[in-house]
Amino acid sequence: ETGVTQTPRHLVMGMTNKKSLKCEQHLGHNAMYWYKQSAKKPLELMFVYSLEERVENNSVPSRFSPECPNSSHLFLHLHTLQPEDSALYLCASSQDRLAGGRDTQYFGPGTRLTVL
Amino acid sequence: KNEVEQSPQNLTAQEGEFITINCSYSVGISALHWLQQHPGGGIVSLFMLSSGKKKHGRLIATINIQEKHSSLHITASHPRDSAVYICAVIAGTASKLTFGTGTRLQVTL
Repeated sequence: ETGVTQTPRHLVMGMTNKKSLKCEQHLGHNAMYWYKQSAKKPLELMFVYSLEERVENNSVPSRFSPECPNSSHLFLHLHTLQPEDSALYLCASSQDRLAGGRDTQYFGPGTRLTVL
Repeated sequence: KNEVEQSPQNLTAQEGEFITINCSYSVGISALHWLQQHPGGGIVSLFMLSSGKKKHGRLIATINIQEKHSSLHITASHPRDSAVYICAVIAGTASKLTFGTGTRLQVTL
C-alpha cells in the first residue's frame, strides 16, 4: 500500500466515548500533520510532528490527544468530545516540516467524525 | 477576515469552458499551494509556486507577488474536474499552511 492511509473512514461516537484515529504514511516522510475541516470553514492545522516530536500544537483542546510512536504512524486520541467537534479529520505528511514552503504535503482520505 | 480569500466561492461551468479561480492573500508569503479536494474528502496537491507560472496538463497556476494574488486556470474543463479547489499560503518563515475556504467547481455536460 502506498501514500497516506487513515482509519476509520467514518466514525460515530457519543460524547462520553473514547476513540482513536489512525494515520499511516508509506512515503518515508519525516513530518506528519493533523488537520480539522469543518463545514464552510478553512482547513485548520491541529498538530505537527517532526521526527516523532510534536513541534506545533495549534491551541487545540485537551480532549484531542495526538501520539506519534514512529515516523510512519500518527494517532489522534479522542475523549469527551462535543458535537461541534464533528468534522473531517485529515492527516498529511511531508518530507520535512514546511519551513519556507518548499515541500509538498500528501494528504490521507480523512476520517468523517460525527459526535452525537 | 481570512488571511487567504478565494473567489468565487461556487462556480458552475459547462464542459469545455475555460475556468479561472482566484486567490488573494494579505501577508507576505514564501510559497503558495493549490490543492484539489474531491467529494469524499481526499486532497491532492496540484501546484506549489513562489513566482511566475506553472503548467501541468490542462491546469495553469500563476502568481503575482507584488499584488498578493494567484490564479488557477483550467482549460477545456471536464466533469471530472468537479471538486473543491483550495488555495493555501506559507507566510514568511512559518512552517504551516494557512488555507482559503475553497472554491467549489461543478462542470456539467
